[in-house]
Amino acid sequence: DIQMTQSPSSVSASVGDRVTITCQASQGISSWLAWYQQKPGKAPKLLIYAASSLQSGVPSRFSGSGSGTDFTLTISSLQPEDFATYYCQQANSFPLTFGGGTKVEIK
Amino acid sequence: EVQLVESGGGLVKPGGSLRLSCAASGFTFSSYSMNWVRQAPGKGLEWVSSISSSSSYIYYADSVKGRFTISRDNAKNSLYLQMNSLRAEDTAVYYCARDVAATPGHDYWGQGTLVTVSS
Repeated sequence: DIQMTQSPSSVSASVGDRVTITCQASQGISSWLAWYQQKPGKAPKLLIYAASSLQSGVPSRFSGSGSGTDFTLTISSLQPEDFATYYCQQANSFPLTFGGGTKVEIK
Repeated sequence: EVQLVESGGGLVKPGGSLRLSCAASGFTFSSYSMNWVRQAPGKGLEWVSSISSSSSYIYYADSVKGRFTISRDNAKNSLYLQMNSLRAEDTAVYYCARDVAATPGHDYWGQGTLVTVSS
C-alpha cells in the first residue's frame, strides 16, 4: 500500500499569510494526487486534482504542485474561510490512501 | 445540480449488519465510478471501496474486505454498501463520492450518514 505523509499536522496562521502543506508518497505516484478541504461537520471538498489542476469554482489562491513522491498545496493569501483541515489523497493505485490531514488554525 | 444523498445509517450491535444507500441525481450516474469513504469520530478520512461505472471493477480496503460489499443499480441511480459483521471500529460517518472522470479525485460528496456500532 502507498503511504501518504502530510506535514505539518497543524499550522497556526493569520489572515493574509502564505501557507504551504506538503504531502509525501511512499512510492512514486506520478501526478495521481488530489487535495481536499474539510470544515467541521461537512463533507470534504475537492480543491486540486491531478496534483496541480484547480477544481472548478475553487479560488485561485489555492495551488498545487509536485509529481512523483513530493507534493505541495499552497494557499497564497489565507482568508477567514480557509481555516479548515486539508487532506491529500493518492489515486495511483488501490487501496486509495489519504494523508493524515493538516489543520489550519487561526493565529 | 449534482446531488448525492446517503441514507441507512444508524445504531447497530457488534456483529450486526447495515445497508447504506446513496441516491444520485443531476448527472449521468451510469458514466461515473463511485466510492465510499468513511471518517471515524475525530479522525481522518479513510477510503472504503470503489466501483466502476458498469460494476466491472470493484476494490475494497483491507479493513473491510470480506465483510462489506459495494454495488450499484444504474437504472435506479443508486449506490449501495452492504456492511456485515460490523465492529466497533467501523463506527464512522460514511460518505459516497463521485470520481472525477479519468483523473484522480472525488469531485462530489454526499452529506454523510453516521454508522454507530455499539452494544
